[in-house]
Amino acid sequence: NAGVTQTPKFQVLKTGQSMTLQCAQDMNHEYMSWYRQDPGMGLRLIHYSVGAGITDQGEVPNGYNVSRSTTEDFPLRLLSAAPSQTSVYFCASSSLTGGDTGELFFGEGSRLTVL
Amino acid sequence: DQQVKQNSPSLSVQEGRISILNCDYTNSMFDYFLWYKKYPAEGPTFLISISSIKDKNEDGRFTVFLNKSAKHLSLHIVPSQPGDSAVYFCAASGSGTYKYIFGTGTRLKVLA
Repeated sequence: NAGVTQTPKFQVLKTGQSMTLQCAQDMNHEYMSWYRQDPGMGLRLIHYSVGAGITDQGEVPNGYNVSRSTTEDFPLRLLSAAPSQTSVYFCASSSLTGGDTGELFFGEGSRLTVL
Repeated sequence: DQQVKQNSPSLSVQEGRISILNCDYTNSMFDYFLWYKKYPAEGPTFLISISSIKDKNEDGRFTVFLNKSAKHLSLHIVPSQPGDSAVYFCAASGSGTYKYIFGTGTRLKVLA
């Protein structure tokens, strides 16, 4: 059972380049989300989705796009990377029971450096 | 504005003693709280949770206490073990909001 899989694990970009961080889960979870972790800032929510075709903004959505075409996948797109987006990114998923999220399952993270 | 705060960036405890990690929140709509543990180069892993209808939840060596009037929760680890050395995050969510807000983390070091 793979759980939550993130690719790539490491990426270096130049300012202005675009890229997509991939996230896939095999637990049939309705809820998926993206966080970024920065020193002294903890984990901050970027975007989340409660099902295919439904996405919403988190705490720090600017500079990122998401889409949810299937239950399994939730890619995070950086259209024009900036040095401020250098961070470690985590994808997380959860089942929705009674309309509320339960325990979040996290991927191993993707470390992105923007030069 | 930080809605979930962990004011102690680090904590050192002797093996076998109790570790107490604290977390404060400001949003009175939060009603579900979780603790996660994170080792370097790994994703956070779920440790224990508590609903606002309770004031205590235990799971083995881990106990979470919730004081709603003070908007404060704490994680107790007894006895502490060297393998508990990690960064601990608390998180909070409001019913139906689908947003988990995390604190900044506390790095626990358990000394052998």
